[in-house]
Amino acid sequence: NAGVMQNPRHLVRRRGQEARLRCSPMKGHSHVYWYRQLPEEGLKFMVYLQKENIIDESGMPKERFSAEFPKEGPSILRIQQVVRGDSAAYFCASSPPTSGLAYEQYFGPGTRLTVT
Amino acid sequence: GENVEQHPSTLSVQEGDSAVIKCTYSDSASNYFPWYKQELGKGPQLIIDIRSNVGEKKDQRIAVTLNKTAKHFSLHITETQPEDSAVYFCAARDSNYQLIWGAGTKLIIKP
Repeated sequence: NAGVMQNPRHLVRRRGQEARLRCSPMKGHSHVYWYRQLPEEGLKFMVYLQKENIIDESGMPKERFSAEFPKEGPSILRIQQVVRGDSAAYFCASSPPTSGLAYEQYFGPGTRLTVT
Repeated sequence: GENVEQHPSTLSVQEGDSAVIKCTYSDSASNYFPWYKQELGKGPQLIIDIRSNVGEKKDQRIAVTLNKTAKHFSLHITETQPEDSAVYFCAARDSNYQLIWGAGTKLIIKP
């Protein structure tokens, strides 16, 4: 049973470019979460999605950031017009459906975004 | 909203000794408390969790205790080994089903 998959593992973008980060949840999981982690810090929640629905995006900046989890295919975190401050590790986690309440979250290996 | 504090930020123990990491939370409605281990360059790995209807849970050398009255929970690792060296994070699931994370504890196992 494959775990949560994220790609690319490393992404370098120049200021002003777009970054697209992909996440494939574990098989059977229908909940996806995105987190950001700066060096030497904990994880900060960004967004919680279910298939075709954004459940909670309270942790995501209002501008330049967007996320989707389509009916088919991976979840995508998109950052437009990247700035140096966007450099961080971005982690995706998934959890199984549990009466609409998600408990255990299983993490992917992360995408390390560097903005030059 | 929920706030999670974690101590210590760095813990150095001799191989074979025990390690204890403590977390406190603020939202009495929080009902799920996982612990994650993160090795350098990798994603967090769930190592143990506890729900609010249980006071203690064990899995081999790892145990977690929860005191709902005092709103704190702790991770205990016994007979520490070099491969236990990592950063450990506690988290609390708040009433909006978000995981609120502690700042992490860097555990160093001295040979």
